[in-house]
Amino acid sequence: EAQVTQNPRYLITVTGKKLTVTCSQNMNHEYMSWYRQDPGLGLRQIYYSMNVEVTDKGDVPEGYKVSRKEKRNFPLILESPSPNQTSLYFCASRLGGVLGEQFFGPGTRLTVL
Amino acid sequence: GENVEQHPSTLSVQEGDSAVIKCTYSDSASNYFPWYKQELGKRPQLIIDIRSNVGEKKDQRIAVTLNKTAKHFSLHITETQPEDSAVYFCAVGGQAGTALIFGKGTTLSVSS
Repeated sequence: EAQVTQNPRYLITVTGKKLTVTCSQNMNHEYMSWYRQDPGLGLRQIYYSMNVEVTDKGDVPEGYKVSRKEKRNFPLILESPSPNQTSLYFCASRLGGVLGEQFFGPGTRLTVL
Repeated sequence: GENVEQHPSTLSVQEGDSAVIKCTYSDSASNYFPWYKQELGKRPQLIIDIRSNVGEKKDQRIAVTLNKTAKHFSLHITETQPEDSAVYFCAVGGQAGTALIFGKGTTLSVSS
């Protein structure tokens, strides 16, 4: 089944404790991205990657890191989480061109205390 | 960069009525306009999209219209049903490999 997976789905952590949210897709998509969703603010892009070893900042990259060492995986790293990073996070992927469907993962609910 | 405005932010209709959500964008080079539906607790999913060489596209009860001159596009849902209740996001895309920019979303409530 073609899909985007994320882990963990729910995470409660404390300020400053490094964490990684994994994202994987099995559709051989070149383009992957991370969004955060907050009430009233919609979906805001954090980082995106157009292919292996190619990443770029989105609209709200501060406090986040990403890496793209393999085509299928695109982990999101929070080196020192803060409470303002409490949010719902979505990973997404699509084929390299923009004129096509973007598939979202199931989401990760992160709470930073 | 691209700026996408979506209105209204909330919309309440009676079952059977029509619902219209409108988005405006700023970059005239944008050429891809999808709409996503997000049910409560679920991920966003594509429901319909339109490309800049097309003015209107229909799929059963949903349709999207595009006015490139005015830089706006709209989602039309006819004969609304309670299961249409969700958050709807418009998005705008440009050149291949660039980001999809999303609107802030519209919460549609359909009451029976």
